[in-house]
Amino acid sequence: DTAVSQTPKYLVTQMGNDKSIKCEQNLGHDTMYWYKQDSKKFLKIMFSYNNKELIINETVPNRFSPKSPDKAHLNLHINSLELGDSAVYFCASSLQGAGNTIYFGEGSWLTVV
Amino acid sequence: AQSVTQPDIHITVSEGASLELRCNYSYGATPYLFWYVQSPGQGLQLLLKYFSGDTLVQGIKGFEAEFKRSQSSFNLRKPSVHWSDAAEYFCAVVAWGKLQFGAGTQVVVTP
Repeated sequence: DTAVSQTPKYLVTQMGNDKSIKCEQNLGHDTMYWYKQDSKKFLKIMFSYNNKELIINETVPNRFSPKSPDKAHLNLHINSLELGDSAVYFCASSLQGAGNTIYFGEGSWLTVV
Repeated sequence: AQSVTQPDIHITVSEGASLELRCNYSYGATPYLFWYVQSPGQGLQLLLKYFSGDTLVQGIKGFEAEFKRSQSSFNLRKPSVHWSDAAEYFCAVVAWGKLQFGAGTQVVVTP
């Protein structure tokens, strides 16, 4: 009954490869997010979708492409992986609105070698 | 501009002692403030949040936080820490429509 689930949890891949991380939420939320946590534990928003529409797109290389097939799913595809892409990627969801709690998944640990 | 500052990168506290984690925000409008905890290898869990009303907010796991507008602060406290409180703690504010996090404070609990 995990609220926000993302797969895979761990991913080790070579530079230049293309990989995807999938995310699903069963909370009935209308807004989903991708956050990146770097090696210093700093968390930064990458993207946000509301009802399948992109509403936040931070300064992220266009090698990163989110896709939301429906409001319960938000996947992240990364092309031509680079060493600097190594990080923990968190999916999250909430109801739209500034004061609403954002619920996070357990993270996907991406290591690019 | 940094919206949230957590001045302490690392805090060590003895089990049973009190804990206070500092958080300062810079955002002109009424802030929506949050504290999250991240245990090793885990995701983030909400401890508590504030956006209006009583400035002393109670959260889960015995934590509380106090909003002080005059000091632009939202400090997190716990009267008596348990070994299981060892984790990374993040203060966050909704600013310009985005949840923005501080750099985190790592809490180490010693016996």
